[in-house]
Amino acid sequence: GENVEQHPSTLSVQEGDSAVIKCTYSDSASNYFPWYKQELGKRPQLIIDIRSNVGEKKDQRIAVTLNKTAKHFSLHITETQPEDSAVYFCAALFSGSARQLTFGSGTQLTVLP
Amino acid sequence: EAGVTQFPSHSVIEKGQTVTLRCDPISGHDNLYWYRRVMGKEIKFLLHFVKESKQDESGMPNNRFLAERTGGTYSTLKVQPAELEDSGVYFCASSQGSLQRPYNEQFFGPGTRLTVL
Repeated sequence: GENVEQHPSTLSVQEGDSAVIKCTYSDSASNYFPWYKQELGKRPQLIIDIRSNVGEKKDQRIAVTLNKTAKHFSLHITETQPEDSAVYFCAALFSGSARQLTFGSGTQLTVLP
Repeated sequence: EAGVTQFPSHSVIEKGQTVTLRCDPISGHDNLYWYRRVMGKEIKFLLHFVKESKQDESGMPNNRFLAERTGGTYSTLKVQPAELEDSGVYFCASSQGSLQRPYNEQFFGPGTRLTVL
């Protein structure tokens, strides 16, 4: 079945440094890739997404890149701040599914002050 | 605007008991999804409603799980009888849009943490 692999499972960075989380997907026809952030005790919230016709998208300190040939996409957070500490989930919308998202296993990001 | 709400936030039950989880989507959202996260693993799809109809229930683990969305508003997910492996966080999400426009954001609820002892 469809699969999304996410790495690393945990990531610690110093405040101000950059953080990169990587995901690979199995279905080459996938066409939509959202990233969700879940702070402790809160709900997952969409922070950025990218569609398959775009290679990169930026929103202030966060960016997502997509390599369709290699079937991987990455989340980049620059100038990290303590409030960036959370679990980040990548997801993919596979071509065969009506609307369901397939998620990665999550990355616990800790930004050290 | 109120977000997706779920009730209860936590539930602790014994193996063999029944539990019913409730989700209230954002008003006007036709699409409602149930997902589950077992500790440390990925968020896994369970099923998808479009209004009151089950569009896709391919992720439902077995026939101990029953989801309903009468009237196309709130949804319930019942687990009967509960087993140890059913423990996890159950998320509900909702979105606008039709099947022809699949990219609409899914808004998640805070989840229900279910513990089966």
